Amino acid sequence: LAKTTQPISMDSYEGQEVNITCSHNNIATNDYITWYQQFPSQGPRFIIQGYKTKVTNEVASLFIPADRKSSTLSLPRVSLSDTAVYYCLVGPFSGGYNKLIFGAGTRLAVHP
Amino acid sequence: GAVVSQHPSWVICKSGTSVKIECRSLDFQATTMFWYRQFPKQSLMLMATSNEGSKATYEQGVEKDKFLINHASLTLSTLTVTSAHPEDSSFYICSAEIYRDSQSTDTQYFGPGTRLTVL
Repeated sequence: LAKTTQPISMDSYEGQEVNITCSHNNIATNDYITWYQQFPSQGPRFIIQGYKTKVTNEVASLFIPADRKSSTLSLPRVSLSDTAVYYCLVGPFSGGYNKLIFGAGTRLAVHP
Repeated sequence: GAVVSQHPSWVICKSGTSVKIECRSLDFQATTMFWYRQFPKQSLMLMATSNEGSKATYEQGVEKDKFLINHASLTLSTLTVTSAHPEDSSFYICSAEIYRDSQSTDTQYFGPGTRLTVL
């Protein structure tokens, strides 16, 4: 499974756009990129998933360059409630063996 | 969206006792479930992969005789921590893999977690 590298922590202010970049230089052809959010004492929550180019949903956007060696999670206009740990994961698609290996994640702190 | 529940949400037990944690998929069938453990300020660590009707696959370093996993139905997997000790105190989280049309969506939904404290 590809390893990922993310910043340990980030700080932002309410209303700003936050971009968290994840490096995954050894991503395989059949790997997808998935981002999860985790609040203290809760299970991770799925945010977004993509394979290439750009994916957007109601909470975030995911930008993936052509070489797929990195990806950027973009959170528009963050609020205090977005303070959490964000995990970037890469893993194989289907095959009934979707083992997710979590890295350290990025601790995002949103300030008033 | 898919919902995964865990029971209990927290448990306190004495050293030497066994504790069972349940993980249920509420609105879908889960052929594959996963069990994680998370210590304070640390990331999630995968413990084992639980497949319905077969033996669980444990990650390296995880004692299968201590952490018993049973996945007897498509909606329920259980993790039993046997002879628990204070060092087993942790946050245990399960997840379930989502399938659509018999194909994995490569997406997992996580339960809310169970806080285990062993005195």
